[in-house]
Amino acid sequence: EPEVTQTPSHQVTQMGQEVILRCVPISNHLYFYWYRQILGQKVEFLVSFYNNEISEKSEIFDDQFSVERPDGSNFTLKIRSTKLEDSAMYFCASSEREGNTIYFGEGSWLTVV
Amino acid sequence: DAKTTQPPSMDCAEGRAANLPCNHSTISGNEYVYWYRQIHSQGPQYIIHGLKNNETNEMASLIITEDRKSSTLILPHATLRDTAVYYCIVRGGYGGATNKLIFGTGTLLAVQP
Repeated sequence: EPEVTQTPSHQVTQMGQEVILRCVPISNHLYFYWYRQILGQKVEFLVSFYNNEISEKSEIFDDQFSVERPDGSNFTLKIRSTKLEDSAMYFCASSEREGNTIYFGEGSWLTVV
Repeated sequence: DAKTTQPPSMDCAEGRAANLPCNHSTISGNEYVYWYRQIHSQGPQYIIHGLKNNETNEMASLIITEDRKSSTLILPHATLRDTAVYYCIVRGGYGGATNKLIFGTGTLLAVQP
């Protein structure tokens, strides 16, 4: 069964460093998403991406965050200057088209120290 | 915020049916009811969704009331591996006001041996 894959599964970084989280969405999917979950809290929407543009973003997704589809298969989330409060599990997700079922990856656990 | 109400926790005996309720009294005519689950901080896993009619797949059944103000997810024979947080999410379909999923706090289902 096709799945969303994410790398790395776990990353530890120092405060102020840049981090790139990578995702390979399901191959025929056109809509991509990033969510995050701080330990013990809800899963929160960050951003959705379609046709090489951000289609929607939350208040959390401020200027330190960016997304990119650098090639035909990868979808990345960059955090420019990490803060302690960025420590969370980051989930990538994709859907075939708008309104279709969204499928999630297993997540990348980011620890900022 | 999520437009659904779920009990915070439920228990179920292994091998018995687990019935997870969800209230969504403000659901609009073009909004779907989606169910996901999250096993111990893994990525949210899609279970099932529906609009008006009851739905069944290999994982579960979804019963939606005629007025669509509530629904029940049924796991017919719960196993220990079904222990997870179950999220009921209302979401617009194609062309809906929002494409994203908004997660609440869900129901923690504990399957007891």
